[in-house]
Amino acid sequence: NAGVTQTPKFQVLKTGQSMTLQCAQDMNHNSMYWYRQDPGMGLRLIYYSASEGTTDKGEVPNGYNVSRLNKREFSLRLESAAPSQTSVYFCASRTFGLAGVYEQYFGPGTRLTVT
Amino acid sequence: DQQVKQNSPSLSVQEGRISILNCDYTNSMFDYFLWYKKYPAEGPTFLISISSIKDKNEDGRFTVFLNKSAKHLSLHIVPSQPGDSAVYFCAAHSGGYQKVTFGTGTKLQVIP
Repeated sequence: NAGVTQTPKFQVLKTGQSMTLQCAQDMNHNSMYWYRQDPGMGLRLIYYSASEGTTDKGEVPNGYNVSRLNKREFSLRLESAAPSQTSVYFCASRTFGLAGVYEQYFGPGTRLTVT
Repeated sequence: DQQVKQNSPSLSVQEGRISILNCDYTNSMFDYFLWYKKYPAEGPTFLISISSIKDKNEDGRFTVFLNKSAKHLSLHIVPSQPGDSAVYFCAAHSGGYQKVTFGTGTKLQVIP
């Protein structure tokens, strides 16, 4: 089991360029998430997908789009990158833990710099 | 509006002593609470959780305490080990609700 995988690990973009961050999980989880982590801000939810075919906005969705390609894959797209999108991006998937708690499994992250 | 707060950005503890990491929340709808541990250049990993029907949950060296009236939870690590040095995130969600809210993290350094 690879768990949650993300590609690429690092990326540098110029302002206005576009790119897609890829995420895949092999744990047969229904729910998948995209977060960004910035210094002093913790993990902030960008978008999530409760199941294949559905997506919903999180706290900071502006400037991003997502696609839940199938049960395994959930991609995040930056259509026109801005320096404010410089961050570390984490993908996660979720299962039910004991007594209804949501344990999330995270990928290793993508470090994105926009110049 | 930060619904989950970790007011201590960092904490240093001697090896073998107790580490206590604190977390406060404002949303009374939260009924599940989790702690994640994060090493540099890695994703967070789940550590321990507690539901609102309990006030304590223990797993080896890690214990989480929940004080619902104070909207406060804490993670105790006893004894602390150098390998525990990491950033710890507190998180919370409501039952059946997809979104999980994270705190800003506390960086723990365990000094040998």
